[in-house]
Order: sequence, then structure tokens, then C-alpha cells
Amino acid sequence: SQTIHQWPATLVQPVGSPLSLECTVEGTSNPNLYWYRQAAGRGLQLLFYSVGIGQISSEVPQNLSASRPQDRQFILSSKKLLLSDSGFYLCAWSVAGQAYEQYFGPGTRLTVT
Amino acid sequence: EDQVTQSPEALRLQEGESSSLNCSYTVSGLRGLFWYRQDPGKGPEFLFTLYSAGEEKEKERLKATLTKKESFLHITAPKPEDSATYLCAVQEYTGGFKTIFGAGTRLFVKA
Repeated sequence: SQTIHQWPATLVQPVGSPLSLECTVEGTSNPNLYWYRQAAGRGLQLLFYSVGIGQISSEVPQNLSASRPQDRQFILSSKKLLLSDSGFYLCAWSVAGQAYEQYFGPGTRLTVT
Repeated sequence: EDQVTQSPEALRLQEGESSSLNCSYTVSGLRGLFWYRQDPGKGPEFLFTLYSAGEEKEKERLKATLTKKESFLHITAPKPEDSATYLCAVQEYTGGFKTIFGAGTRLFVKA
């Protein structure tokens, strides 16, 4: 069966510090991978998605970036965090190709102080 | 503008009191509609996929239906453990697949 991991679970970082969130998927090959941010009481905002190694599409211009160094590894980064980067970050995967459902990781709660 | 609207924002039910959640959408080319359940502080859990109008899916006390403009999540005789936020998402194809999430309906079921 497929499993998706995210770490860390919670993170408190000062403004201006760097960020690195990691997501890994087990039990599947060549998945589509996604990074979302969820603000309190709001829907999920798609930040990045990837259909393959090194292939990253950005949905929202911001100070965040994403990378996919391996087939089942997806990393979300920032060089300098802003207060507005606080939120709940979710990684998800889906089967490549058609309209398939996405499966989400447990999430990372980021607080920028 | 493509969008997904869920109503109500919050719903409070007594245990055993059946009701429905609504998800209305305006997209150019629907490829799939998804329902998820999200517990506080956790990632969304996939429930159903619906692909075409008239399709229905069931799981325990939940039943999802789809028309050309909206979907309903029917909850029959809910229990307190059904309390959660229910998210609707629509996937469209516009040169590439794009998924749009609604803001969710927070369901509270009181014993």
C-alpha cells in the first residue's frame, strides 16, 4: 500500500530564516506530487505540482520554491520566511495522468514569528 | 472565473439527524469531483470520486451524488465521530489538470 510522509510535523521559525519541508511517498512510482497551503478556515491553495523528477510548476508567485530531486521526494523551500508564510502545509500525491484523487500527508504546521 | 462553493459553512446536527452538504461548481470542463474528510490538524482523507452527472457513491453513512452543476454529500443518521470538515474539490482540464478546492463545511454532530 502507498504511504506519504511529511516532516517536521510542527515548526516555529523567525522571520527571515530559511525553510525546508520534506515529503516522501512509498509504494508507488512516478506519482504526481503537490504542495498545498491551508489557511485557517479556508480552502487548500495549490503552491506547486510536479509530474516528474526536476519538473516543477508554480501556481502562485511567492518567496517559496519546490524541488523534486528523486521520483518520490518533494521538497518545499524558502530562503527568507515572511510572517504571511505561516500556515498548514500539505503534501499530496496522485496517480499520473487522468483525473485521479489526491492522497494527502499528515501536514506541517508552520508558524513564522 | 472557475470556482467551487460549499454550503453551509458550518452545520450542527444531533446524533441521528440526517442532512446534506452542498458543493456547487463552475468550471469549463469537469474531469472529476472529489470529496474529502479532514479532522483538525490532519491532512484530508479521500472519500469519493464522481466523474459524471447521475453518478452516486456510498460509504457507511455517507452518500455522494453529482449533477451537472453541483454535488451533495448526504449523511444518514450521523454519529459524533462523523464530526469533521468535509472538503469538495473539482478537477478540470485546461491544457493540464487543475484541481480547485472549496473552503469546506464544518460538521458538528452532538450526542
